[in-house]
Amino acid sequence: EVQLLESGGGLVQPGESLRLSCAASGFTFSNYAMSWVRQAPGTGLEWVSSISGESEMTYYADSVKGRFTISRDNSRNALYLQMNSLRAEDTAIYYCAKYYYYSGTKSFDSWGQGTLVTVSS
Amino acid sequence: DIQMTQSPSSLSASVGDRVTITCRASQSITNYLNWYQQKSGKAPKLLIYAASSFQGGVPSRFSGSGSGTDFSLTISSLQTEDFATYYCQQTYSSPYTFGQGTKLEIK
Repeated sequence: EVQLLESGGGLVQPGESLRLSCAASGFTFSNYAMSWVRQAPGTGLEWVSSISGESEMTYYADSVKGRFTISRDNSRNALYLQMNSLRAEDTAIYYCAKYYYYSGTKSFDSWGQGTLVTVSS
Repeated sequence: DIQMTQSPSSLSASVGDRVTITCRASQSITNYLNWYQQKSGKAPKLLIYAASSFQGGVPSRFSGSGSGTDFSLTISSLQTEDFATYYCQQTYSSPYTFGQGTKLEIK
């Protein structure tokens, strides 16, 4: 059974940094691209970043480009999101999600339970 | 960036009703369209991928259709467990944008 478990969320002040982690199990981690998706309180889903299986490619939403860095450690089955220069608008639940590929298409077929990041002074 | 527009934003319906949610992309995304269900306080769950393919374990009352720019999610006979928020998502090109969501409520 695929399991994704996020950690590292918390309350930080604007301008500070935070590193989120996602521990993966139940599948061959290195074979799959992974993503971070966030959801601000009471709002919809926003894709944040993705990384390929061997970290060759990374992608970011414009809203976080230059401030957030996605990475992974396949030896530890772990996904990370380093978040710097945090802003109030980064306040959200952050989910990690596993890619599923089908006939060239992609979707997110497994999600963690999320970790809450609150940016406030 | 590709914009995804869902309609309606909210919908009241009764158990047993047939409901359809639509999603329009700002440009052609062929069939790179997914549908997710999110219940209150829970993570999203993949229902439909590649516009019309069922994720394992999804009841057959759910169906997806469309290609290009116009897509739909239909629930043929609503059950109480289907009341949730539904999101479409395109994965044709980065950023992989979501629709704003459709909240399905009990009438």
